[in-house]
Amino acid sequence: DQQVKQNSPSLSVQEGRISILNCDYTNSMFDYFLWYKKYPAEGPTFLISISSIKDKNEDGRFTVFLNKSAKHLSLHIVPSQPGDSAVYFCAAGGSNYKLTFGKGTLLTVNP
Amino acid sequence: GAGVSQSPSNKVTEKGKDVELRCDPISGHTALYWYRQRLGQGLEFLIYFQGNSAPDKSGLPSDRFSAERTGESVSTLTIQRTQQEDSAVYLCASTFSFGTGTQAFFGQGTRLTVV
Repeated sequence: DQQVKQNSPSLSVQEGRISILNCDYTNSMFDYFLWYKKYPAEGPTFLISISSIKDKNEDGRFTVFLNKSAKHLSLHIVPSQPGDSAVYFCAAGGSNYKLTFGKGTLLTVNP
Repeated sequence: GAGVSQSPSNKVTEKGKDVELRCDPISGHTALYWYRQRLGQGLEFLIYFQGNSAPDKSGLPSDRFSAERTGESVSTLTIQRTQQEDSAVYLCASTFSFGTGTQAFFGQGTRLTVV
């Protein structure tokens, strides 16, 4: 049973445009959500997070939105840059819940 | 060390041999995860250690896979009688604890190739 789902295995956008990566979860007890970025031959690195008491968290070009009623979160990257090309993983966790990761979305930003 | 360290970084082994992968977590981190990523696939959860609690082994794909962790220190993932489908990058991550505000820090991974 996949509790965290990233339904788009890949996404391609033009440089300068917005990238929107989506993630759905099923466990309503999750109260903390994270996005990780992974380049080839490297381990995933933390990008941005959001607590369930918020619906938005912004850090520079990266914004994460949380819709608890829909059990959906998204990562917006504006403007997208070629260096953003990587695999993005969404993760969810909380008190007494281990971090659970989605399968990832490969983002390609074309110059 | 400052980060999660995994060794070896690369391992090529013959089918049927046993392999042992090592993870040194960040000092003080009570929780440790093992994941694997096969070529073109996502992160696949294998096992989770949290302090002295019984590990969550629900992700181990077969009884050829086992992992140990002594206290809050090093963990080893052992794969017996390796098969070609075991070829993957094996990633280790550690965190202070689970709960709001927890962030997992990943190692660079061990690339295992079974020939």
